[in-house]
Amino acid sequence: SAVISQKPSRDICQRGTSLTIQCQVDSQVTMMFWYRQQPGQSLTLIATANQGSEATYESGFVIDKFPISRPNLTFSTLTVSNMSPEDSSIYLCSVAAGGDREQFFGPGTRLTVL
Amino acid sequence: EDKVVQSPLSLVVHEGDTVTLNCSYEVTNFRSLLWYKQEKKAPTFLFMLTSSGIEKKSGRLSSILDKKELFSILNITATQTGDSAIYLCAVEVRGTYKYIFGTGTRLKVLA
Repeated sequence: SAVISQKPSRDICQRGTSLTIQCQVDSQVTMMFWYRQQPGQSLTLIATANQGSEATYESGFVIDKFPISRPNLTFSTLTVSNMSPEDSSIYLCSVAAGGDREQFFGPGTRLTVL
Repeated sequence: EDKVVQSPLSLVVHEGDTVTLNCSYEVTNFRSLLWYKQEKKAPTFLFMLTSSGIEKKSGRLSSILDKKELFSILNITATQTGDSAIYLCAVEVRGTYKYIFGTGTRLKVLA
């Protein structure tokens, strides 16, 4: 398995601002993923972030709203831009690090937008 | 459209009870099915299932996959209050690393 940390663990932000969430892994991984979990909902994949290439976004998510960086094999950031209350969610990063490529999740960032 | 459906949505039991959680799926290009436990924010990996009929077991938890009928069950025996959590089922789409998650089953175990 992999040990994953995320910063910040939670934040309260004002409408119209942006927040960058950091994800750090204790080992080199090829693929990192960003998920959103809105209140009472399950996890929805935002994008897949591979080192050295553009992130691949899922339907309904765009780069202008959720820009992602993947500068190396242990780190990634997700920015939530021009936030609105609808962006209030838990944001989770994960990595495929198991022997069978199972994904392990970071501790999550709880974002509240006022 | 690919989908994963879990039932029941919520469940309240007493300590010592046995529970069975269900996960059915309609996913093209199935690779594997995974179970996670989510207590606060981060889902914790429980099992990955790829073959039908082979039970995976860890302590009081066990799971099995039926690829013909497209479902999996997660059993928890002798439940404890610490088992209270949301249990998530996810299916990996072959060739993509992409997971499709179900809505989860919220389990509450009363002392």
